[in-house]
Amino acid sequence: AQSVAQPEDQVNVAEGNPLTVKCTYSVSGNPYLFWYVQYPNRGLQFLLKYITGDNLVKGSYGFEAEFNKSQTSFHLKKPSALVSDSALYFCAYSSGSARQLTFGSGTQLTVLP
Amino acid sequence: NAGVTQTPKFQVLKTGQSMTLQCAQDMNHEYMSWYRQDPGMGLRLIHYSVGAGITDQGEVPNGYNVSRSTTEDFPLRLLSAAPSQTSVYFCASTPRGRTGELFFGEGSRLTVL
Repeated sequence: AQSVAQPEDQVNVAEGNPLTVKCTYSVSGNPYLFWYVQYPNRGLQFLLKYITGDNLVKGSYGFEAEFNKSQTSFHLKKPSALVSDSALYFCAYSSGSARQLTFGSGTQLTVLP
Repeated sequence: NAGVTQTPKFQVLKTGQSMTLQCAQDMNHEYMSWYRQDPGMGLRLIHYSVGAGITDQGEVPNGYNVSRSTTEDFPLRLLSAAPSQTSVYFCASTPRGRTGELFFGEGSRLTVL
């Protein structure tokens, strides 16, 4: 079955340090991959997406993600974490119509001051 | 623009009751969808619509009904509420040409006793 997996339920990082939130995929063909962020008691917000082209994708708020076909990964990264980056992060994919998204289970990121 | 507006924000129902969650968007987006969010399970697609008059089932459609009579509105109906439908519900819309970029509402928290 096609899916995305977020292997870490919780990631803690110190403010100013680089952060990585992991996502692996099991999708046939050429997957469309996405990252979303959810702040407490809010809806999800789009961060970035990979459709085709350059494997390094830049998005909102200084985030970027690297599409790695050999490792079937799409990890979210940021060079220097902020306390305000603390939130729930979701990886997602789509195939077929490319408008219906399937989400991972989410990773809670906590940036410690 | 108000974006995607969901009402009510909170609702408590008794088992067997019916209700409608309202969703409206003022961005003229053609694609709309409903998700439910449960702890540790990410978001799961309930129903979606690619335009007025067209709806289709997602991953978890049982117990829910939708209609799309206008571009702006996409209500979700619970026919006979069950405790398993206790969840946070999110409506989202996507503009034409913005593959996978969902604009989410703030969510509706439903408790079924």
